[in-house]
Amino acid sequence: DQQVKQNSPSLSVQEGRISILNCDYTNSMFDYFLWYKKYPAEGPTFLISISSIKDKNEDGRFTVFLNKSAKHLSLHIVPSQPGDSAVYFCAATNTGTASKLTFGTGTRLQVTL
Amino acid sequence: DVKVTQSSRYLVKRTGEKVFLECVQDMDHENMFWYRQDPGLGLRLIYFSYDVKMKEKGDIPEGYSVSREKKERFSLILESASTNQTSMYLCASTLDQGMDGYTFGSGTRLTVV
Repeated sequence: DQQVKQNSPSLSVQEGRISILNCDYTNSMFDYFLWYKKYPAEGPTFLISISSIKDKNEDGRFTVFLNKSAKHLSLHIVPSQPGDSAVYFCAATNTGTASKLTFGTGTRLQVTL
Repeated sequence: DVKVTQSSRYLVKRTGEKVFLECVQDMDHENMFWYRQDPGLGLRLIYFSYDVKMKEKGDIPEGYSVSREKKERFSLILESASTNQTSMYLCASTLDQGMDGYTFGSGTRLTVV
C-alpha cells in the first residue's frame, strides 16, 4: 500500500523553464513533508521541507506547495538548470510519533539545453 | 557536516550466503535507518533504530535483521541472501524526528547471484 505516490516517473524540461514535480499522499496523519534529490551512485540529499501548518515554503529556486485538502504537494524549480537533472523523492512523516520517513517512488527530472 | 559511511559500494554475493552491510555515522545521531531502493518502488524502509540495542521493523523487514551495538554503527544482515534482495541499500541517520532531513550514505549496490 503506497502511502506516498509520485505518479510521473519522469519529466523533461528545458533549461530556464519551470519544473513542477507532484506528489500525493493518502495518510491524513502525515504532518511534515520533505523533498530529496538523488544523483546516480550517491545517497539522496535533503532539498526542502514543509510543515502542514503552512501551504508554501520557498528556498531560492525551490518552492514547495502543500494542499492539505487534496493531500497533494508539489515542488517547483524556477528556473530549471542542467544540474537539477536527478531523481526527486517526496517523503512524509508524522512528527508526533516516529522519525521514520515514508518515501514516494521518485520522479526522474531531465533538464535539457 | 554529518557523514554517513557505508562500507561497500558494490557487493556480489551468492544465493544462501549471509551478508553484512555496515553503516557508520560520525555525528552522534540517535536515529538510524536502512532503506532499499528499487526502480518504480522508491525507497522502502527495512529497519530502523532509535538507540543502541533498539530496533524497529520497517515496512519490509522479511529476510533481514539488524544490529546496533554502538551508537555510531548500524548493521543490516541478510540471513540467507536471495536474488530478490538484489537492490541498492541506503543507510541514513538523523538527530531528531527527521524534520531537518536524513543524512544518507552513498549506498551499497548488492547483487545476489
